[in-house]
Parts: sequence; C-alpha cells; structure tokens
Amino acid sequence: QQPVQSPQAVILREGEDAVINCSSSKALYSVHWYRQKHGEAPVFLMILLKGGEQKGHDKISASFNEKKQQSSLYLTASQLSYSGTYFCGTPFGPGGYNKLIFGAGTRLAVHP
Amino acid sequence: ETGVTQTPRHLVMGMTNKKSLKCEQHLGHNAMYWYKQSAKKPLELMFVYSLEERVENNSVPSRFSPECPNSSHLFLHLHTLQPEDSALYLCASSQGALAGQDTQYFGPGTRLTVL
Repeated sequence: QQPVQSPQAVILREGEDAVINCSSSKALYSVHWYRQKHGEAPVFLMILLKGGEQKGHDKISASFNEKKQQSSLYLTASQLSYSGTYFCGTPFGPGGYNKLIFGAGTRLAVHP
Repeated sequence: ETGVTQTPRHLVMGMTNKKSLKCEQHLGHNAMYWYKQSAKKPLELMFVYSLEERVENNSVPSRFSPECPNSSHLFLHLHTLQPEDSALYLCASSQGALAGQDTQYFGPGTRLTVL
C-alpha cells in the first residue's frame, strides 16, 4: 500500500516553515525521507524508526507517530536550497532486505 | 556524490532496439535496486538484488531483464520496449542490513525515451 503524502505542493518564501505529512494504512516499522531536486538523484534525508522518535538534520526534522501510522517532516526557516520534491518511503513485504514503497511526493518551491 | 554511478545518462531507442543500462556502486554495499520514475507517478520498485541474487521482481514485464554479475554492478537489459516505458530509471544500493532500517543511495538515473 502506497503511503499518502500531503500536501501535493507547497510554495514558500525564504524563512517560512512547512510541514509535509506521510500516512499509511498499514502498520509502520519505519519511514524513510528523501529529497529530489530536478534532474538529480533522490538524496537520503533521514530514517524514522518505530518508537516515535524525532530526528533532525540541520533545520529539517521529522517525527514518527506509529499509532497514527504517519510521519511528518518539518522544514523550518526554509532556504532556497530546500526546493525539490520530498518523498517518503515505507517498507513492504517480507524479506531481509529493504523494499520500499514511495509516496507520490510533495513538491516544495522556496522563493526569495 | 559519486557513490552510485549510472550510464548512459540519456538514451533514445526505437521499439525494436536492444540496449542496456549500467549501474555501479562504490560503497561496498550488498543490495542493489532498479526503480522506474515516470512523470506524475511515484518511484516504482522494479528489481532487488541481494548478494548478487535476485530477490524481488515486482511484476515487471519480461522486456526488462536485470543482471547482477557482482555486488558492485547491476545491469538492466532492454528489448522491444514500448513508448510508455519512457521514464527515468534509477539505480540504488544499500548495505543490505535489517529490513526497514537500511538506507538506500541513489544514482543520478538514466533518462530513457522510447520512440
């Protein structure tokens, strides 16, 4: 089951904050967040594991609420470099390797 | 970021051609993946290799044929493709650690156009 991301797109001015949500209809063990700039490879941001921990990466942080089966990505004091498409990925199926199913993505545009 | 490289970066082919995409990872990882990224669609997992063994074929048509000769190289052989196969094909690799906790590192992708 593909995770559902919201919103689909966000437009910000530099310095503004944004929240991107990722929800699943299935129980989550972990959520993986990536950012992809146009014409480039997706870049890993962080993994959130079961336990509701919050992680941070510069001014980007995320939380994981396993009861609600969702994760939220928080971008504070946005910079131009934050522009891109943000994807969340969740594991699916059995196996001792990492199969991820990704959401449709949230396009973020930060303007001066 | 040169951990995962892909060649060619762009490819245009006719429906009767045979071509191959190449992926190489320099990270010492044990698992490699092929994804398809079409316009307005999410990343779709195609194949997974773990220790050179194919462990996942996500209902991919047989006109796509993967090959993993060693843990550093992954190929995707293409033949008799359809125009709807035009997409960005991304390769990724990971340590092959505990399921769900493994970070995947992506290559820059091959932009494929099928005429």
